[in-house]
Parts: sequence; C-alpha cells; structure tokens
Amino acid sequence: KQEVTQIPAALSVPEGENLVLNCSFTDSAIYNLQWFRQDPGKGLTSLLLIQSSQRVQTSGRLNASLDKSSGRSTLYIAASQPGDSATYLCAVRGSGGSNYKLTFGKGTLLTVNP
Amino acid sequence: NAGVMQNPRHLVRRRGQEARLRCSPMKGHSHVYWYRQLPEEGLKFMVYLQKENIIDESGMPKERFSAEFPKEGPSILRIQQVVRGDSAAYFCASSQPGQGAGEQYFGPGTRLTVT
Repeated sequence: KQEVTQIPAALSVPEGENLVLNCSFTDSAIYNLQWFRQDPGKGLTSLLLIQSSQRVQTSGRLNASLDKSSGRSTLYIAASQPGDSATYLCAVRGSGGSNYKLTFGKGTLLTVNP
Repeated sequence: NAGVMQNPRHLVRRRGQEARLRCSPMKGHSHVYWYRQLPEEGLKFMVYLQKENIIDESGMPKERFSAEFPKEGPSILRIQQVVRGDSAAYFCASSQPGQGAGEQYFGPGTRLTVT
C-alpha cells in the first residue's frame, strides 16, 4: 500500500528565503507525482506534475525534482514571498491497475513572514 | 472553460440528517473522483465514477455513503444519517474520457459540518 510522507509538517521562513519541501513515498512504481497548493478553506491548485520518466519540472520560482528509485521528491521555492503562504501537498499516482488513484501526503504548512 | 464546480461550498447538518454533495466536472470530462479530507489528515480517495458507472468505490465507507454520476446532471455524493465523524472537506476531481490516468482537476470542495 502506497504511503506518502511530507517533511516538515510546518515551516516558517522570512521573506526572500529559498526553501525546500520534502516528499517521500514507499512504492516506487508510480505513474507520476504532483505538487499542489491549498489555501485555507479553498481547493487544490496544481503546481507541478512530474511524469515517472522525468527528473525535474520547473515553473517560475518553483522547481520540483523526482528520484523514483529512492522514493523521494523535493519542491524548491526560490525567493519566497508572503503570498506563497499555504499548505503544499504532494500526491503520487500508482502505475498499476488502480493508476487513477492519487495518494496524498498530509502536507507542509508554509508561512512566509514579511 | 469553467473549472470543476462543487456545491454547496459549506453544508451544515445535524446528526441523523442526510447530506448531498454535488460535483459538475469540467466541460468535456466524463470521469469523476471523490476524495475526503478529514481534519489534520491528507486527502483520501473515495470513489471513481464514469457516466452511469461506478468504477472503483474501494475508498467509500461500507455504510451510509453512496455516489452516482448519472447520464445527465452532476455527480452526487450522498451521506445518509450523518455522524460527527463525517465532518470533513469533500473534494471532487474530473479528468478527460479515455484517460483513466489523465490529470485530475480539482474543485473547491464542500466543507461538511455535522452538529
């Protein structure tokens, strides 16, 4: 059974810092991995999707890496801003028969202080 | 192109009442997925539906919960005789037909509070 763990559970940084969020998963047989952002009381916004054959995906100040063999992904946020404050969720999709299921971590609550 | 729509956004029910949550997928999407987010927990898969078919309901509690996606109209997640433990955010996602592993697009969620 796939399990996804996100570390740290919460992170508080001053504005302008570069930071790294970590995601690990127990079953390396994945189809893809996705990072989402969730604002309080709101839905999920997809940030980056990395296919299993990819190692890196970039969008603006965000950079996500995937090491499938070790079961790890990192989300790098450059030059953080107060508007980046949110919960960041990592989700993996398996490659087997139930490859439509997303398995989520509990998230990292990020606070960027002005 | 409107995104995934869910209503109501907030729903309050007393214990024992029924809750009906609606999800309209993105235009052109015929696959719908429901996830539940309990307080302090990650989102958990509940059910996967295509038009008029339940493909996988392995994540649904065995009793009181049901889901449908009729030929016309939104997908409905129904919870009968709600209990306090049902209080959670319920998210719907949709994807394009023919792509069971296609990217899922999420709605804003329905926050159910059982008093």
